[in-house]
Amino acid sequence: ILNVEQSPQSLHVQEGDSTNFTCSFPSSNFYALHWYRWETAKSPEALFVMTLNGDEKKKGRISATLNTKEGYSYLYIKGSQPEDSATYLCALNSGNTPLVFGKGTRLSVIA
Amino acid sequence: DGGITQSPKYLFRKEGQNVTLSCEQNLNHDAMYWYRQDPGQGLRLIYYSQIVNDFQKGDIAEGYSVSREKKESFPLTVTSAQKNPTAFYLCASSTGVLVEQYFGPGTRLTVT
Repeated sequence: ILNVEQSPQSLHVQEGDSTNFTCSFPSSNFYALHWYRWETAKSPEALFVMTLNGDEKKKGRISATLNTKEGYSYLYIKGSQPEDSATYLCALNSGNTPLVFGKGTRLSVIA
Repeated sequence: DGGITQSPKYLFRKEGQNVTLSCEQNLNHDAMYWYRQDPGQGLRLIYYSQIVNDFQKGDIAEGYSVSREKKESFPLTVTSAQKNPTAFYLCASSTGVLVEQYFGPGTRLTVT
């Protein structure tokens, strides 16, 4: 079973702070790296799907980078807002297999 | 409204009973998935189906069964053989295995 590691497990930041967290994965047989946001009482929603080494994607104040050679991805949130509070999930496609999810990083933004 | 529905939201069963969780999608997606989430764990794949009348075991298939008789529907049966059935169950769908997935709202199953 592939191992996708996310750190930190949880994070508390003040409104307006910028923050980032990490997803680490085995770099062999890489196909795609996904980030999802899961707000309480809602369904997980896809943020980004990244396939190329050096890829950078952005959606509003949230961006992500990918390093497939060393096996990591960073998710950045600029100027955190209370509505950014959620669990952020990282998931890996390797070869032709379904996604393998990390345990997530739980972000709380304090107003 | 296109999306994925799961019913019911909460389900209670006695130990030893089989229970079936519903998942329906109207997104015309070929692939469907069942995940389980436990406290402190990530989403773990139970079963997935890439096409009608075909499905594959995920990482934790023991004690579960599925069917895929229609493109729109992928019901999950939690059998009495599943040793720890109490969990939150999420269904998802996608156009293929290697693209983003769309998730339903989940069913919280409690077995006592």
